[in-house]
Amino acid sequence: GAVVSQHPSWVICKSGTSVKIECRSLDFQATTMFWYRQFPKQSLMLMATSNEGSKATYEQGVEKDKFLINHASLTLSTLTVTSAHPEDSSFYICSARVGNTIYFGEGSWLTVV
Amino acid sequence: GDSVTQMEGPVTLSEEAFLTINCTYTATGYPSLFWYVQYPGEGLQLLLKATKADDKGSNKGFEATYRKETTSFHLEKGSVQVSDSAVYFCALSDLSGNTPLVFGKGTRLSVIA
Repeated sequence: GAVVSQHPSWVICKSGTSVKIECRSLDFQATTMFWYRQFPKQSLMLMATSNEGSKATYEQGVEKDKFLINHASLTLSTLTVTSAHPEDSSFYICSARVGNTIYFGEGSWLTVV
Repeated sequence: GDSVTQMEGPVTLSEEAFLTINCTYTATGYPSLFWYVQYPGEGLQLLLKATKADDKGSNKGFEATYRKETTSFHLEKGSVQVSDSAVYFCALSDLSGNTPLVFGKGTRLSVIA
């Protein structure tokens, strides 16, 4: 079964609004989670590393104020896309390490209209 | 830094054909190697992995052997099925601390009946 769960799987929001995506580790504690973005027919682009109890580490070119990451507990990291615009429409996916394996969530499709 | 190079796709095969997707890597240490599969509209699923040289990962008829001498981790399957149509990603990680996966660009496989 899944070890990393994301919610929601699909979300449609209006331009200018904010949307939150949750990433949960199931039955294990994840001090670190990773957030990726995937454009159609492309590979995954690492956006940020989410650290429990501290600030996220963002990759170069990723807007910290636009993509807010909060890792308030050992089983939950959230990505909030603030003031969303159509160009933010994408597939967002998180991952967490369990021992010597890295698992991914199911991913979240965001469409901004 | 570490990097992964995959063969360019798309790859189109007839059902029951032999599959090889090449993957080579560059790393300073001794990383663990992974193959992930992404079916249309879905997240990434771990297909197989190998954590040290000469290890062979296998799952669902797919195999890949960690070749340190050639820095390769080629994915193979003896007889593909239509249901194997997906995008395949080769990745590596040193699994230390907060290090995320390093991905190849992905190879799209289409299997036709």
